[in-house]
Amino acid sequence: EAGVTQSPRYAVLQEGQAVSFWCDPISGHDTLYWYQQPRDQGPQLLVYFRDEAVIDNSQLPSDRFSAVRPKGTNSTLKIQSAKQGDTATYLCASSPGTGGIQNTLYFGAGTRLSVL
Amino acid sequence: GDSVTQTEGLVTLTEGLPVMLNCTYQSTYSPFLFWYVQHLNEAPKLLLKSFTDNKRPEHQGFHATLHKSSSSFHLQKSSAQLSDSALYYCALTNNRIFFGDGTQLVVKP
Repeated sequence: EAGVTQSPRYAVLQEGQAVSFWCDPISGHDTLYWYQQPRDQGPQLLVYFRDEAVIDNSQLPSDRFSAVRPKGTNSTLKIQSAKQGDTATYLCASSPGTGGIQNTLYFGAGTRLSVL
Repeated sequence: GDSVTQTEGLVTLTEGLPVMLNCTYQSTYSPFLFWYVQHLNEAPKLLLKSFTDNKRPEHQGFHATLHKSSSSFHLQKSSAQLSDSALYYCALTNNRIFFGDGTQLVVKP
């Protein structure tokens, strides 16, 4: 079974530039998460979807970040105008459902973003 | 609100000694608890998770017991191996998943 696939693996930007991250979850997983993992910290939820619907985006900086999952499969996270504080690893994860024991997350390898 | 606390940022020990990584939590409801492990330059992956029937989960020699009275889910192993060196995250879930800040385990020869 294929795992969660993310691209690109690395990105280096100047402040003010835009970047997009792509995620292909495990087939059949209806829930998809985007996490931000700053250096030396645990993953912090940005947004998550069930199918194509956004369930929680309360931690997503809406002025510069956006995320979509138009067909309930692949997802794209975009940063419109990057800041140095966005430097982190961006992790995508999927799971077969929400609530209880089904919430085991399967993570992709992540995209390591450096904003200079 | 829900939260997870891992008190140790770094644990260093010698191969063969027992391991105990602390995890306590706060939750409005009865959550499920998880331990995830992240090796260098890899994604986090599930190590073990709590059960609803109070069974003790075990995997790769690690085990953890959910103590609701003390809101704890400490990770333990009787004998550390060099390959156990990694970052360990405790997490809880209700509808959302909350991660602790992680404990870096370094096992030395």
